[in-house]
Amino acid sequence: EAGVVQSPRYKIIEKKQPVAFWCNPISGHNTLYWYLQNLGQGPELLIRYENEEAVDDSQLPKDRFSAERLKGVDSTLKIQPAELGDSAVYLCASSLGDSYANTGELFFGEGSRLTVL
Amino acid sequence: AQSVSQHNHHVILSEAASLELGCNYSYGGTVNLFWYVQYPGQHLQLLLKYFSGDPLVKGIKGFEAEFIKSKFSFNLRKPSVQWSDTAEYFCAVNRGRLGKLIFGQGTELSVKP
Repeated sequence: EAGVVQSPRYKIIEKKQPVAFWCNPISGHNTLYWYLQNLGQGPELLIRYENEEAVDDSQLPKDRFSAERLKGVDSTLKIQPAELGDSAVYLCASSLGDSYANTGELFFGEGSRLTVL
Repeated sequence: AQSVSQHNHHVILSEAASLELGCNYSYGGTVNLFWYVQYPGQHLQLLLKYFSGDPLVKGIKGFEAEFIKSKFSFNLRKPSVQWSDTAEYFCAVNRGRLGKLIFGQGTELSVKP
């Protein structure tokens, strides 16, 4: 079974440029997450989707970050414009489970490492 | 503030040494507890989890963790580490039906051959 696929693995951009990350979850997983992992820190949730619906985006900086999961399968996370402080690893994860009973395992992708110069 | 704390940022051990990584959380009520591991160059993966029942849970690769409710702790242990255990270990807490998994800052484990 294929795992969570993310691309690109690495991205270097100059500040104020836009960047987008793509995630394809495990087939059949209705819940998709985007996490931010700063150097030396644990992952922090940015947004969680249940199918097409963003059910928790309280930690997503909406002035520059946006995300979509139009058909309830793959998802895109965009930053526009990028700032120096956005340099981090952006992790995508997926899981089975409904909106309020997520006590199971998250399956993570390998992450997209962003460097903003 | 509600949080998950891991006491050690970097632990260095020799092979065959015993391991204990500390994890404390500050949430009240029912919680689900996890340890995730990230081997060099690989994705985060679940090591073990506690939902209910026996507070001593066993995971993959000989790891175990003990939930002590009175201490709000979920420490990870392994009697004898191997070089291949070199990785970063993350404790995480999920408050059940709220669905958000909160991670600690991680502990980097380096095992010397």
